[in-house]
Amino acid sequence: DAGVTQSPTHLIKTRGQQVTLRCSPISGHKSVSWYQQVLGQGPQFIFQYYEKEERGRGNFPDRFSARQFPNYSSELNVNALLLGDSALYLCASSSPVYGGETEAFFGQGTRLTVV
Amino acid sequence: EDKVVQSPLSLVVHEGDTVTLNCSYEVTNFRSLLWYKQEKKAPTFLFMLTSSGIEKKSGRLSSILDKKELFSILNITATQTGDSAVYLCAVNNAGNMLTFGGGTRLMVKP
Repeated sequence: DAGVTQSPTHLIKTRGQQVTLRCSPISGHKSVSWYQQVLGQGPQFIFQYYEKEERGRGNFPDRFSARQFPNYSSELNVNALLLGDSALYLCASSSPVYGGETEAFFGQGTRLTVV
Repeated sequence: EDKVVQSPLSLVVHEGDTVTLNCSYEVTNFRSLLWYKQEKKAPTFLFMLTSSGIEKKSGRLSSILDKKELFSILNITATQTGDSAVYLCAVNNAGNMLTFGGGTRLMVKP
């Protein structure tokens, strides 16, 4: 049973470029969230999508955008990359259960380096 | 603004020691508190706590929540080198949009 899968695993980009990161949730999970984890810090919430609708957005600039597809996979786009965007980008999926939601299950992440 | 603070920032112990990791929080609409272990990349789920005073246990790990004092602790007994990792505490205020603390880095020496 496949867990949350993310691609690519590593990426090096130049300042000013654009990047797209991809995430496939656990089968049956309809909610996908994105987090940014800068080295030495805890993950920070960027976006959550549920049933293709944006359900929440963290404190990130408009250069960050995301979408969710009919098969519940998701993409995170970052435009006009800055050096400070270098981080591990984590995707998590979860599913509603009676009275709430399952815990969030995380993928292995995409390590983005901006030079 | 929701806030989660973990202490200590880092900890070095020897195999067999018992450790206690702390997590305090301030959130507007608390739903649950979660503990994750992060060794390399993917945080792996340890516990979800929703009610005060009920201890959750899994092997040598246990955790408890105090919703009145707004904190949680994670205990690890008889530590092993495989317990070396960053332990993350997160609070879910609605729909799994998690607010994480900065983590506690645990190193267990042989």
